Formats: sequence, structure tokens, C-alpha cells
Amino acid sequence: NAGVMQNPRHLVRRRGQEARLRCSPMKGHSHVYWYRQLPEEGLKFMVYLQKENIIDESGMPKERFSAEFPKEGPSILRIQQVVRGDSAAYFCASSPLSEETQYFGPGTRLLVL
Amino acid sequence: AQSVTQPDIHITVSEGASLELRCNYSYGATPYLFWYVQSPGQGLQLLLKYFSGDTLVQGIKGFEAEFKRSQSSFNLRKPSVHWSDAAEYFCAVGDSGATNKLIFGTGTLLAVQP
Repeated sequence: NAGVMQNPRHLVRRRGQEARLRCSPMKGHSHVYWYRQLPEEGLKFMVYLQKENIIDESGMPKERFSAEFPKEGPSILRIQQVVRGDSAAYFCASSPLSEETQYFGPGTRLLVL
Repeated sequence: AQSVTQPDIHITVSEGASLELRCNYSYGATPYLFWYVQSPGQGLQLLLKYFSGDTLVQGIKGFEAEFKRSQSSFNLRKPSVHWSDAAEYFCAVGDSGATNKLIFGTGTLLAVQP
């Protein structure tokens, strides 16, 4: 069983560009979480999604950030008009319907120039 | 509000020595507790978890943790550290409500001396 997949692993953007981060959960997992790890900090919750639904986006910045988890395909975290402060590692985690353990992907490291 | 505190930012131990990493949490109900390990440039790997039952939990790689409700602690231990254990360790509490989002501590960076 393949683990959680994230791509790209590294992403470089210039200020003002858009960043799209993809997450494919483990097979059979329908819950997806996104976390952000700023340099020298722990992980902070951003958003929790189930298929076609955003359940909790209390950790998402109010502007420029959005997330989706369509019926088919990976979950997408989208950052519009990136700024240098968006430089961070973005981790996706997935869990099965009835369990509480989250399994993490390798992360996408975003660098904004 | 829920929170997790890892008081030690950096710890250095000698290979073969014992290890204890501290974790304290603040949570109103019975918490779900986790320890994850992160190697440089990598994702997080689950070491162990506590949901209920026996308060001494065994994990992978020879790690164990003990849940102490009276102290609001969930310290991670290993009797004999290996050089490959050098990494960053994160304690997390799960929101056992509807979302089960994880709240992480700031991490403890472990260095292992030969």
C-alpha cells in the first residue's frame, strides 16, 4: 500500500505567482489534512477536507489560500499571489474513515523568491 | 485552548545512553496523543500513539511513552539511543471532536554523540 504522495517535493515561485500543491492520500483514506511548517517551528493545522467537502478551515489564512478535495483526483492546496512569508514546508496527512491516526506525506517545500 | 509544550528545544545524548523527551499538553477531555519523528528534509513518521487503555505505550524503533493524566504529560523514552535516532521529535494532541486536527509542539531536536 503506497503511502501519502505529495508533489512537487520542491517548488520555487516568484512573488505574485501561484503555487499549487498536490496530495494523494493513502488508498482507502477519505480524510485529508494540510499542515504548514514554518522554518524552526512545529506544524500548524491549516485545513481538513473530506471528499468534495471542506470540514474545518480554521487554520487557513483568510486570503490567497484555498483547498479542495474533488471526487476524483488529489487534494489541492492553492496559494495565489505568493509572498516571501509563504515559504515553508507544506505537509498533507490522510486518515481512514473510522480511525484517528494521520499518516503524513513527505511534504512540499515552497520557496518564494 | 488546547496546546502542547515540548520544553527542550535541543537535546544531545551519547550513543547507547537512555533518552527521555518531555511533552506536556493542555486539553479538556481525554486526549489522543502522538509522537512523530522527522528526519531532515523528510516527512513525519508515526512512532506511537495513545488513545485509551494501558498508559504505557510501545512504539516502533524501541520507543515507548507513558501517559500520566495527573501530570498532563506524555514523555517519550528509549533505553539505548542509536546514532540513527538523531532527528526532530514532535509530540501532538488530537482534537477528539469532529475534526481530529493535530496540535503539535514545537519539537525537540535530538543529536547523538558517538
